[in-house]
Amino acid sequence: EAQVTQNPRYLITVTGKKLTVTCSQNMNHEYMSWYRQDPGLGLRQIYYSMNVEVTDKGDVPEGYKVSRKEKRNFPLILESPSPNQTSLYFCASSSVDSQETQYFGPGTRLLVL
Amino acid sequence: DAKTTQPNSMESNEEEPVHLPCNHSTISGTDYIHWYRQLPSQGPEYVIHGLTSNVNNRMASLAIAEDRKSSTLILHRATLRDAAVYYCILRFNYGQNFVFGPGTRLSVLP
Repeated sequence: EAQVTQNPRYLITVTGKKLTVTCSQNMNHEYMSWYRQDPGLGLRQIYYSMNVEVTDKGDVPEGYKVSRKEKRNFPLILESPSPNQTSLYFCASSSVDSQETQYFGPGTRLLVL
Repeated sequence: DAKTTQPNSMESNEEEPVHLPCNHSTISGTDYIHWYRQLPSQGPEYVIHGLTSNVNNRMASLAIAEDRKSSTLILHRATLRDAAVYYCILRFNYGQNFVFGPGTRLSVLP
């Protein structure tokens, strides 16, 4: 089944403790993105990647890092999480032949205390 | 940056058509107009997209104004499963920088 998976789905952590949220897609897509969703603000793009080793900032990249060492994986790294990064995070992927159709993962709900 | 404006919420009766408006008065010539929707407790899903001409697919129709400063997503017969938040999005320069707004929350009444 074609899908985007994220792990973990739920995470509670404390300020300053580094964490990684993994994202993997099995559709051989070139493009991958990370979004955060907050009440009243819709989805905001954090980072995106157009291929292996190619990443670029979205609208809200501060406090986040990403890497794209393999085509299928696009982990989101919070080096020193803060409470304002408490949010619902979505990973998405799309192909170069169908850029308009992003496939989203199920989301990761993060609480930073 | 070009932005979109949508009503916060709309209501529709089941099996009636729904017209969801979106204003994007600062759209540039190379910006594509996309619509996604987000069902409760799920990630967003693609609905439809267009550049200048009206578009139809199995889910919906997209009507784009001649000056491209507004567009309308049309659900021909709303069902209860269409209750969701609908996002009108502009994609810049053929790239992957999607800018979502708060969207329109559509309620469908039985």
